Amino acid sequence: AAGVIQSPRHLIKEKRETATLKCYPIPRHDTVYWYQQGPGQDPQFLISFYEKMQSDKGSIPDRFSAQQFSDYHSELNMSSLELGDSALYFCASNPMGDRGLYEQYFGPGTRLTVT
Amino acid sequence: SQELEQSPQSLIVQEGKNLTINCTSSKTLYGLYWYKQKYGEGLIFLMMLQKGGEEKSHEKITAKLDEKKQQSSLHITASQPSHAGIYLCGADYTGNQFYFGTGTSLTVIP
Repeated sequence: AAGVIQSPRHLIKEKRETATLKCYPIPRHDTVYWYQQGPGQDPQFLISFYEKMQSDKGSIPDRFSAQQFSDYHSELNMSSLELGDSALYFCASNPMGDRGLYEQYFGPGTRLTVT
Repeated sequence: SQELEQSPQSLIVQEGKNLTINCTSSKTLYGLYWYKQKYGEGLIFLMMLQKGGEEKSHEKITAKLDEKKQQSSLHITASQPSHAGIYLCGADYTGNQFYFGTGTSLTVIP
């Protein structure tokens, strides 16, 4: 069965550089969530999209932006990278439909290292 | 402030023993999710509870949500080394924002 795809799986950047992470949800899933998980920490919700519109915002820094495209894939853009941005970035998708609850499927994550 | 609290923070059990992990919310939630995360790896969805009093089981794992929809427990029967990992609860409150619990690290000793 198709799963959530994230690319790249690993990324190494230097301070003040930019990074773009991509998430491809499961087909027919119209909702995407982004999470950041620092070393030894719980995942933190960053932002979510429903039907290509931002639906909710969590603890996403102003240096980060994200969008969902017409094919429902999403990109997280990170600028002026800081050492503290080093983390595992997950995206998750689920079908939203009529606001029922559905199983939430997570991608394998992108491990970003900022040096 | 932490919306979701889990207990215990860590658990070490002998293989074959039963164990329970609790997740307590500071307010009534819309939906409660349980996940497992192997160390350094991705999150695996286990199950989702929405109705007060709901109980679901999958293999040897049972999750319950209390009637007030503020507390959930995850129970593992006859634990195995494959159950080891970090268990996270997650909550959906009012919209598409999601909160995770503080996590419980489970070690199963063969």
